[in-house]
Amino acid sequence: EDQVTQSPEALRLQEGESSSLNCSYTVSGLRGLFWYRQDPGKGPEFLFTLYSAGEEKEKERLKATLTKKESFLHITAPKPEDSATYLCAVQASETSGSRLTFGEGTQLTVNP
Amino acid sequence: SAVISQKPSRDICQRGTSLTIQCQVDSQVTMMFWYRQQPGQSLTLIATANQGSEATYESGFVIDKFPISRPNLTFSTLTVSNMSPEDSSIYLCSVAWGTNTGELFFGEGSRLTVL
Repeated sequence: EDQVTQSPEALRLQEGESSSLNCSYTVSGLRGLFWYRQDPGKGPEFLFTLYSAGEEKEKERLKATLTKKESFLHITAPKPEDSATYLCAVQASETSGSRLTFGEGTQLTVNP
Repeated sequence: SAVISQKPSRDICQRGTSLTIQCQVDSQVTMMFWYRQQPGQSLTLIATANQGSEATYESGFVIDKFPISRPNLTFSTLTVSNMSPEDSSIYLCSVAWGTNTGELFFGEGSRLTVL
């Protein structure tokens, strides 16, 4: 059974204080690992796709990296508008269909 | 990108009743997905809805409880039948814009509270 565990559950940073969010996964053959951002009262918003160990993707202050067992979302010099819940999801290559298995998310708060 | 509209955005329902959630997309898409997000938990896929065929349900979800319609390439409905308090949740419609079915656009969700 595919599993995704995110840590920490919640993270509070000061503006400009860089940090990382962790996503550990167990999957029977990885087709892709995905990061989403979810604001309160909204649906998730797609951020990144990673396919293989060693791959990195960047977007503004965010950088996602992937190893064979985990992914990190690095946030450099965050701003208050980066406050959101960040979700990690995996898609297994042996999955019939297109199911994403999501983690429970990390709730990030960036204080000014 | 795709713009997805869901109705209702929220509702309070009585135990034993049924509610239908509508999902409208601003362009034609092949695959639509219905997810559930229970309080404090992760998103769980309920079913995949393809136009012109029966929906494909994930383990733990059945058609009698969550019937789905997909009459055309821009619209789908999810019904939550014979509701109980355990069905209180956010229900999210999503679409895969390109060929990568992991890169999804989501609606804003329908928050259901069952009393």
